[in-house]
Amino acid sequence: EIVLTQSPDFQSVTPKEKVTITCRASQSIGSSLHWYQQKPDQSPKLLIKYASQSISRVPSRFSGSGSGTDFTLTINSLEAEDAAAYYCHQSSSLPLTFGGGTKVEIK
Amino acid sequence: QVQLVESGGGLVKPGGSLRLSCAASGFTFSDYYMTWIRQAPGKGLEWVSYMSSSGTTIYYADSVKGRFIISRDNAKNSLYLQLNSLRVEDTAVYYCARRNGGLMDVWGKGTTVTVSS
Repeated sequence: EIVLTQSPDFQSVTPKEKVTITCRASQSIGSSLHWYQQKPDQSPKLLIKYASQSISRVPSRFSGSGSGTDFTLTINSLEAEDAAAYYCHQSSSLPLTFGGGTKVEIK
Repeated sequence: QVQLVESGGGLVKPGGSLRLSCAASGFTFSDYYMTWIRQAPGKGLEWVSYMSSSGTTIYYADSVKGRFIISRDNAKNSLYLQLNSLRVEDTAVYYCARRNGGLMDVWGKGTTVTVSS
């Protein structure tokens, strides 16, 4: 099973600040890494696919990078509406797995 | 618009059973793999199962293998999850999601399953 380790677990950030969340895979997964945003009491929403591909209607301040085992989600100029949990997910092999999540709080 | 709506959750005793349903609309259901993912209270996301578009390919997480059964009815645009031999640790919100090229691009709002005596 591929284990995805996210860091940090929690981040408290002021608006307009830059946020960086990392996801490390226990073995190489190429670019089969996707990022989701989950706001309180909502279902997850796809933010970035295949490590760095943007999703339509997702604000351009969200971007992703990486390949192999190390990946990063960046939120440029954080907005209040970005308060949420963020999860990485690998689709390289079964079982499909998710990172433990990173909760982003707005100061 | 593209939509998934889950139903069938509830309170059940350990050892009991439930059948979850997921109604799809706004897309050609029979073209897509479909998945179930769950989230225990205050916890992260856990993949449960997926089924191919035709229903011929099925996979389960080890934690539910032998107890849960995924199925679909393409004529009714519906996905199902039969939950048997339920345990307290199966308590979670269960999401239905469309699998598109490997990732889950559309999610339902979820249905809550509570296993408690």
